[in-house]
Amino acid sequence: DAEITQSPRHKITETGRQVTLACHQTWNHNNMFWYRQDLGHGLRLIHYSYGVQDTNKGEVSDGYSVSRSNTEDLPLTLESAASSQTSVYFCASSEGASGNTIYFGEGSWLTVV
Amino acid sequence: GEDVEQSLFLSVREGDSSVINCTYTDSSSTYLYWYKQEPGAGLQLLTYIFSNMDMKQDQRLTVLLNKKDKHLSLRIADTQTGDSAIYFCAESTMGRRALTFGSGTRLQVQP
Repeated sequence: DAEITQSPRHKITETGRQVTLACHQTWNHNNMFWYRQDLGHGLRLIHYSYGVQDTNKGEVSDGYSVSRSNTEDLPLTLESAASSQTSVYFCASSEGASGNTIYFGEGSWLTVV
Repeated sequence: GEDVEQSLFLSVREGDSSVINCTYTDSSSTYLYWYKQEPGAGLQLLTYIFSNMDMKQDQRLTVLLNKKDKHLSLRIADTQTGDSAIYFCAESTMGRRALTFGSGTRLQVQP
């Protein structure tokens, strides 16, 4: 079955370190998204991509970057981790235009100490 | 910008109906969704409704949309303990593929 997987599922890192969260989908979806989930805020969009070499900033993009070198992967990089980036990160993907179902990965729990 | 609001918590008894409410501000919202998140898991799409509809029923789930008041609700009939989870309302508009989420409503079902 096609799926979307995230790794690592849990990570503890130190302030100032660079961290990369991986996201891989096997549906061949053109759209991919990264959200963070924090208590009281729901899910907020960090970055998104509509295809290879396309990346766009979401509402909370400061301190994060993404790259899309192929259809299947959208890694999320925290250039210099901060305690405010302790969160649960969800990758998601969808096909085509607006209104199509967005599928979510299982989440990556990141703690910055 | 877009804003989606939900109450944070709802507690019901097993067998009762649950109604989770959501309001949104973007009058151009075209697609409205309900997602369910169980502990330690990702989000699972429960159901969705297009803005040109006012009701959608899917087994125990009923979605009602009042476009004039920008109010969306999810009714779960015969609520079971397995329905305990966080429920997120989300919306998007034509041309925007990402979703804007509410803060989630935690549903607790008591035996």
